[in-house]
Amino acid sequence: QQPVQSPQAVILREGEDAVINCSSSKALYSVHWYRQKHGEAPVFLMILLKGGEQKGHDKISASFNEKKQQSSLYLTASQLSYSGTYFCGTEGNAGNMLTFGGGTRLMVKP
Amino acid sequence: DTGVSQDPRHKITKRGQNVTFRCDPISEHNRLYWYRQTLGQGPEFLTYFQNEAQLEKSRLLSDRFSAERPKGSFSTLEIQRTEQGDSAMYLCAAGVRYGYTFGSGTRLTVV
Repeated sequence: QQPVQSPQAVILREGEDAVINCSSSKALYSVHWYRQKHGEAPVFLMILLKGGEQKGHDKISASFNEKKQQSSLYLTASQLSYSGTYFCGTEGNAGNMLTFGGGTRLMVKP
Repeated sequence: DTGVSQDPRHKITKRGQNVTFRCDPISEHNRLYWYRQTLGQGPEFLTYFQNEAQLEKSRLLSDRFSAERPKGSFSTLEIQRTEQGDSAMYLCAAGVRYGYTFGSGTRLTVV
């Protein structure tokens, strides 16, 4: 079942912060985060594994609440380059394929 | 260079025709995935391979879709008797534990 992302869209000014949420109705082994720019392929940002939390970039971090089957992506001091659509991908059992959410469209304005 | 090459980048076909797409991971990856993405949506799982074995296929995938990965290297995805609803971006991805590397995709338009 597809994870639910919120918000669906967000507009920021450069330097502002944002939080994107991903929620699943199933128990999760891992959560991945990807960013996709218009006309391009999704690009891997980071993975959060059951029992741990991994930070992928300096100003982009994420958390994973296993009990609630939820993950949040935190974008701090946003830059213009952060614009794009962010997808979470959830893995129910180790080694399974990812199921992606519907995406959160982020636009950072000067 | 994303590490996964897909060919062609664009394909326009008439309804009812067959089409085949190719995916080449540049470095060896045991796992290879096919996803489909329509405008404004997240990638939708189609099928995946562990080496040459096709381990799972989406229940949403009709019998018109078939995929192969001979010798566990490149993979092909064939759609027979295309329909307008097949119009989408078809993405190939490689990798497992530490994130997927996606190819640039093949955009299929069925007219």
